[in-house]
Amino acid sequence: NAGVTQTPKFQVLKTGQSMTLQCAQDMNHNSMYWYRQDPGMGLRLIYYSASEGTTDKGEVPNGYNVSRLNKREFSLRLESAAPSQTSVYFCASRKTGTDTQYFGPGTRLTVL
Amino acid sequence: GESVGLHLPTLSVQEGDNSIINCAYSNSASDYFIWYKQESGKGPQFIIDIRSNMDKRQGQRVTVLLNKTVKHLSLQIAATQPGDSAVYFCAENDEGSSNTGKLIFGQGTTLQVKP
Repeated sequence: NAGVTQTPKFQVLKTGQSMTLQCAQDMNHNSMYWYRQDPGMGLRLIYYSASEGTTDKGEVPNGYNVSRLNKREFSLRLESAAPSQTSVYFCASRKTGTDTQYFGPGTRLTVL
Repeated sequence: GESVGLHLPTLSVQEGDNSIINCAYSNSASDYFIWYKQESGKGPQFIIDIRSNMDKRQGQRVTVLLNKTVKHLSLQIAATQPGDSAVYFCAENDEGSSNTGKLIFGQGTTLQVKP
């Protein structure tokens, strides 16, 4: 099992550009999550999908959209990137009935 | 509001010594707590977890202690090794998570192991 995979690993955008961060898991987990991590801070939840077909806002959803494409894939879209969105983005998944989330390797995004 | 906080941003220990990383939480209703290890440039990696009906849980070289009276969580690492150098995060399940699995993370403690 590859676990949780994320693409791309690195990305540089100019202000106003759009992009989609991809996440996939092969553990047959129902729930998936998107976090951002800023220097010296913990992880903050952007959006989550408790199950296929549902998505909900987390703590910091402004400026982002998500799509739960199928059970395996959960994408995060920045429609018009801003420098404040420079961060490291992590995707995670969780099996229903458990509490442990498993994380991907992250995407390091810089917005100029 | 809810908050999860680590007591010290950086902890420096000698190789072979035991390490203790502390975490305070504010939500009395949380019933699940978890520790993650994050190495530089990588995603958080599960270390150990504990439910509120337990006071202590042991893994391989790691022990988590939960004191619900003072809302305190600690991670003990025995015989600390250079490979233990990382940032350690505690997290608790969000009040009213209703099976969404939402976690609230602390800010992290950097563990530095001196050879």
